[in-house]
Amino acid sequence: HLEESGGGLTSPGGSLRLSCAAPGSTLTDAAMIWVRQAPGKGLEWVGRIASKTDGGSTDYSAPVKGRFSVSRDDLDHKLFLQMDSLKTEDTAIYYCALDLSQDIRLWYLRPLGYWGRGTLVTVSS
Amino acid sequence: EIVLTQSPDTLPLSPGERATVSCGASQNLTRGSLAWFQQKSGQAPRLVLFDVSTRATGVTDRFGGSGSGTDFTLTISRVEPEDFAVYFCHQYDALPYTFGQGTKLEIK
Repeated sequence: HLEESGGGLTSPGGSLRLSCAAPGSTLTDAAMIWVRQAPGKGLEWVGRIASKTDGGSTDYSAPVKGRFSVSRDDLDHKLFLQMDSLKTEDTAIYYCALDLSQDIRLWYLRPLGYWGRGTLVTVSS
Repeated sequence: EIVLTQSPDTLPLSPGERATVSCGASQNLTRGSLAWFQQKSGQAPRLVLFDVSTRATGVTDRFGGSGSGTDFTLTISRVEPEDFAVYFCHQYDALPYTFGQGTKLEIK
C-alpha cells in the first residue's frame, strides 16, 4: 500500500531524506506517521504530520525532536522524513503508516491499516 | 508519555489453544485509542485491531480485543499456525504515541 525509499548507509552527523509514496489520492490529506524499528528491537514512534485541512502540524518523539522533520506533498501523494545530525542509535528500519487517529471524515481508511514495507537506515562510521 | 507494558514477554502455546496478551497503560486512554499489531519475522507490522476491539480488514474473528482505561487484552480464541508472531500494542490516544515492548507468541 505504501512504499518507502531513500534509506542507506551514512556516517554519524550525516543526513538522509526518506520518501513514502502513497497510492493514488487515497491518503491525500490523511494524518500520517513514521515509525522505526532498530535491529532486533520493538517499534518506536518517530513523528506525525496532521492533514493540511487540520493545519499540517507536526509532532516528534523526544529522541528525534530538533533533528528530524516530517513534511508532505499531497499533489504528488508523498510523505517525507528529513533526518539530520544522524546518530548511530538512529539505525533502524523506518516505516511510514496511516495515523489511526483521524478526523471522522477519514475513518473509513483506518481498517485498511496502511503500512509500508520499510526502508533500512544504517548510521555507522 | 504514556508507557505501555505488555505481558507476558513470551507466550508458548500449542495450536488450538487460547492466547491472551495483556497491555497496561501508565495513564488512562480516555479515548480508547488502543491498537494491536502482528509482526512476523522479516515483515512489516500488520494491523490486527484498532479502537480496542475493531478488527482490521481481512482479520479473522478468532482475534478479539477488550479493555478500557489502563488495561487492555488481545485474545486469540484458537491459535492457528499462522498466528505465531510478535504482537505489539500501540496507543494513539495522546502524543507522543507509544508502543508496547512486544509479546512473542511461539510454538510450544
